[in-house]
Amino acid sequence: EDQVTQSPEALRLQEGESSSLNCSYTVSGLRGLFWYRQDPGKGPEFLFTLYSAGEEKEKERLKATLTKKESFLHITAPKPEDSATYLCAVQAYGQNFVFGPGTRLSVLP
Amino acid sequence: EPEVTQTPSHQVTQMGQEVILRCVPISNHLYFYWYRQILGQKVEFLVSFYNNEISEKSEIFDDQFSVERPDGSNFTLKIRSTKLEDSAMYFCASAVGTSGYTFGSGTRLTVV
Repeated sequence: EDQVTQSPEALRLQEGESSSLNCSYTVSGLRGLFWYRQDPGKGPEFLFTLYSAGEEKEKERLKATLTKKESFLHITAPKPEDSATYLCAVQAYGQNFVFGPGTRLSVLP
Repeated sequence: EPEVTQTPSHQVTQMGQEVILRCVPISNHLYFYWYRQILGQKVEFLVSFYNNEISEKSEIFDDQFSVERPDGSNFTLKIRSTKLEDSAMYFCASAVGTSGYTFGSGTRLTVV
């Protein structure tokens, strides 16, 4: 069975304090690993797709990396507006997304 | 930027009543999905829809649920007889291919 776990469950950072979020997955045949940002009461907002081990994607203060068993979302010098829940999801071939439980990030000014 | 639009944003219904949640996917997208998120829990897959038929559904998507694309633009999720445990955020998503979903902002369903 495809599984996705994320750690930590919650993370509090001071503005400017860089850190990483982890997504560990077990999937039979990875088609893609996706990172989404979710604000309270809103739908997930697409950030990145990673397809193969070694791949990296960057967007502003975020960088996502992928290995065969996990993905990291690195956040560099975060700002309060980066506060959100970050969701990881995996997609196996021919199947739909399996989401992780998310990491709730709070960035304090 | 193109959006997936969901209405209503919040629906309150009595237990046992039928509800229809509506979605307008992005116009050139071919794949449509419903997911739900019970408060404080994971986003869970319900159903995928392609070429006017269900392509996959989860265990959650039982006989109480149905989906329809009645007019080529709207995509609806019907729950026939709502239960308290159906209370959740329901998200519609669409995609051109089978990856890179765009999600709507969701409908919060509260069953009382």
